[in-house]
Amino acid sequence: DAGVTQSPTHLIKTRGQQVTLRCSPKSGHDTVSWYQQALGQGPQFIFQYYEEEERQRGNFPDRFSGHQFPNYSSELNVNALLLGDSALYLCASSRGRSSYNSPLHFGNGTRLTVT
Amino acid sequence: QKEVEQNSGPLSVPEGAIASLNCTYSDRGSQSFFWYRQYSGKSPELIMSIYSNGDKEDGRFTAQLNKASQYVSLLIRDSQPSDSATYLCAVQYNFNKFYFGSGTKLNVKP
Repeated sequence: DAGVTQSPTHLIKTRGQQVTLRCSPKSGHDTVSWYQQALGQGPQFIFQYYEEEERQRGNFPDRFSGHQFPNYSSELNVNALLLGDSALYLCASSRGRSSYNSPLHFGNGTRLTVT
Repeated sequence: QKEVEQNSGPLSVPEGAIASLNCTYSDRGSQSFFWYRQYSGKSPELIMSIYSNGDKEDGRFTAQLNKASQYVSLLIRDSQPSDSATYLCAVQYNFNKFYFGSGTKLNVKP
């Protein structure tokens, strides 16, 4: 049973550049959420995708955008990178939007460093 | 903004002892509660979920929920050095929207 997979594992970018991170959800899951985790902090919710649409969004600027494909995989795009965007980016998948009892399952994350 | 509070620690316990991790949350409408373990440099791993008041046991782990007090805890019995990690409390407020605490770092000393 394949879990959540993310790519790439690590990225180094320069300020002002753009980055795309990718995620494939766990088998049987149709909802993908993205989180940013700075060092020493808990994951911060960026947004959630279900049925190829952004359904919920956290307190992140429009530089953060995403997409979900028909096979439920997802991309996170960040434009005009800032030093403060350096973090571990976590993709989490879950099953359905109408259940309270579907926990998040995380991928291994992408470590983004902005120089 | 929904708040989830945890003591950042570090919490140090000797091997074989009981580790007690605590979490409070601000939204009384929260329905589901989860504990994740995160090793340094790794992603969070689900270890416990609890949905109703009371205790839920799974092996060496016991989750406790008190919705009236807005309090969730995790007990780890017979702590092992391999339990040394950061433990994240997560509260599900809305369908598939989760809020995380900043985590409690646990050190289990051999």
